[in-house]
Amino acid sequence: DAKTTQPPSMDCAEGRAANLPCNHSTISGNEYVYWYRQIHSQGPQYIIHGLKNNETNEMASLIITEDRKSSTLILPHATLRDTAVYYCIVRKKGNAGKSTFGDGTTLTVKP
Amino acid sequence: EAGVAQSPRYKIIEKRQSVAFWCNPISGHATLYWYQQILGQGPKLLIQFQNNGVVDDSQLPKDRFSAERLKGVDSTLKIQPAKLEDSAVYLCASSSLGSGFTSGNTIYFGEGSWLTVV
Repeated sequence: DAKTTQPPSMDCAEGRAANLPCNHSTISGNEYVYWYRQIHSQGPQYIIHGLKNNETNEMASLIITEDRKSSTLILPHATLRDTAVYYCIVRKKGNAGKSTFGDGTTLTVKP
Repeated sequence: EAGVAQSPRYKIIEKRQSVAFWCNPISGHATLYWYQQILGQGPKLLIQFQNNGVVDDSQLPKDRFSAERLKGVDSTLKIQPAKLEDSAVYLCASSSLGSGFTSGNTIYFGEGSWLTVV
């Protein structure tokens, strides 16, 4: 599975959009981009995933560049409860691929 | 829908002792994962089962770690003997074998079992 690169930390003001970048320059055509977050003392929580089109759900939006080498997770109106570590991983469809987590981005939402 | 259940939630043991963690995945999920997460790091996959067969155990320290999923449902992860560096959160996760893009493939995690080896 492709390796991902994320900034170690980011800050965001409460109520503003949080834009979390992820580089996955070695992604292959059959690999999806997944985003998870982990709030302190809890297991990782699924947020969203995509292949090449932009995706939106009730939690977030995912923007994937045309060449698929990078993506951005957008939390449109960040709240204090969104403070967490955010992980970007790439994974093949189905369960054949290993899901390799990096160290993620620690997002701190400030009042 | 019930989530992934794990127990115990917390465990403190002395080095060289043994410990076992239990996991009950989401009903119907064929794939089960055990991850190790050391403080400050992302989860690292230890072993992946599909039904009761091992798909990937390349990062499992087999001299001290073992895992089984006998009936393709519950799973146990054992460490014997434990070392100080095994102090970590052990996360169990599961996913289904859905074929569509929007179904299956998403991995759901339990709350984790926190192990401290002293």
